[in-house]
Amino acid sequence: DTEVTQTPKHLVMGMTNKKSLKCEQHMGHRAMYWYKQKAKKPPELMFVYSYEKLSINESVPSRFSPECPNSSLLNLHLHALQPEDSALYLCASSQEGGPHSKNTFGSGTRLTVV
Amino acid sequence: AQKITQTQPGMFVQEKEAVTLDCTYDTSDQSYGLFWYKQPSSGEMIFLIYQGSYDEQNATEGRYSLNFQKARKSANLVISASQLGDSAMYFCAMREGPSGSARQLTFGSGTQLTVLP
Repeated sequence: DTEVTQTPKHLVMGMTNKKSLKCEQHMGHRAMYWYKQKAKKPPELMFVYSYEKLSINESVPSRFSPECPNSSLLNLHLHALQPEDSALYLCASSQEGGPHSKNTFGSGTRLTVV
Repeated sequence: AQKITQTQPGMFVQEKEAVTLDCTYDTSDQSYGLFWYKQPSSGEMIFLIYQGSYDEQNATEGRYSLNFQKARKSANLVISASQLGDSAMYFCAMREGPSGSARQLTFGSGTQLTVLP
């Protein structure tokens, strides 16, 4: 069982819909991450939260909006997405983000934009 | 310049044999961590093994070992006694920078390993 839980596992949404991806961890980790991954490619970092504050935003379009309500939860709000946004979205967490901290990943949400 | 290079897009290995997946890295930091992850077709990224830049011994975790050659900046993953369930994409990754900062994990392009019966 993964220690980082992502819901939903699959999501199909239209270009005018609003939806949210959710991520939860109870390991006491203080850094949380969103990644986007296309097939056969490595994950691309989207956002990093450190101690519940947004610390890195990798020039992600505003149709993706992250939120960290508390140290255990991370959301990704989606609005007016494009078909090219279809991908696997991975959430991860780590102790603090220092060089020796490993990321623990969730099993991902497979998003299809139609 | 690429920070993490994996030169083998695809590898095949016979069941029960050992296989080495290559990874070279580039950093000017003294303190860094190297990680290997396995990603089956289901999508989950599974942590396999970690090597710290100051570790003198090669890391081992069960059937996984990391051949760390610091001067050559390489961190190859060795899987012994391959099993059919080892078929997956394998990513090498690095994290640089001082402790206490949320630094991103930089991934290589991955190696798709197929274990043949």
